[in-house]
Amino acid sequence: EADIYQTPRYLVIGTGKKITLECSQTMGHDKMYWYQQDPGMELHLIHYSYGVNSTEKGDLSSESTVSRIRTEHFPLTLESARPSHTSQYLCASCSGTDTQYFGPGTRLTVL
Amino acid sequence: RKEVEQDPGPFNVPEGATVAFNCTYSNSASQSFFWYRQDCRKEPKLLMSVYSSGNEDGRFTAQLNRASQYISLLIRDSKLSDSATYLCVVNRADSSYKLIFGSGTRLLVRP
Repeated sequence: EADIYQTPRYLVIGTGKKITLECSQTMGHDKMYWYQQDPGMELHLIHYSYGVNSTEKGDLSSESTVSRIRTEHFPLTLESARPSHTSQYLCASCSGTDTQYFGPGTRLTVL
Repeated sequence: RKEVEQDPGPFNVPEGATVAFNCTYSNSASQSFFWYRQDCRKEPKLLMSVYSSGNEDGRFTAQLNRASQYISLLIRDSKLSDSATYLCVVNRADSSYKLIFGSGTRLLVRP
């Protein structure tokens, strides 16, 4: 299993606040991903990166942005949180194969 | 039509039962196939990869039928701890490093 970490695990925040969800992995994986998942629903890819300074938008349009300055770190930022951003955000990484390993997720609630 | 389709269930079975899930995928060019397990409010975890020749891991057997574009998962001697949602996952044909997740099949194993 990959060692992949996400912080915070839970976040409750007011509308309009800027937030950054952290994701880091210690396996040296080149590829990293952010998914959004609502309760009981499927995962939707919102961002991915195939290496340092490489970021792409996923299938689900998202107001969030990401950066990949270091291999091990792939933070996601929301400049102005809204209640519609309430969801679970899952970070994943993979190496040379297609197998993706997930972090524990951040459960975000925007009031 | 969804790219990966699964029966959402729930499948409600007694302990010790054998249960099978099927999944169909739409893109014949997909090359990598997986079953992930997701517990309630947790991250998906890799259960097993699915190989062309079929593969077994303890009580779990996965099969791939490329001609019919379906994947199956068989669980023998069900345990209470098998209760979870099982996600069928297929790689995208346009990029082998992006995955498509099915919406999952929910399994409930009762005493």
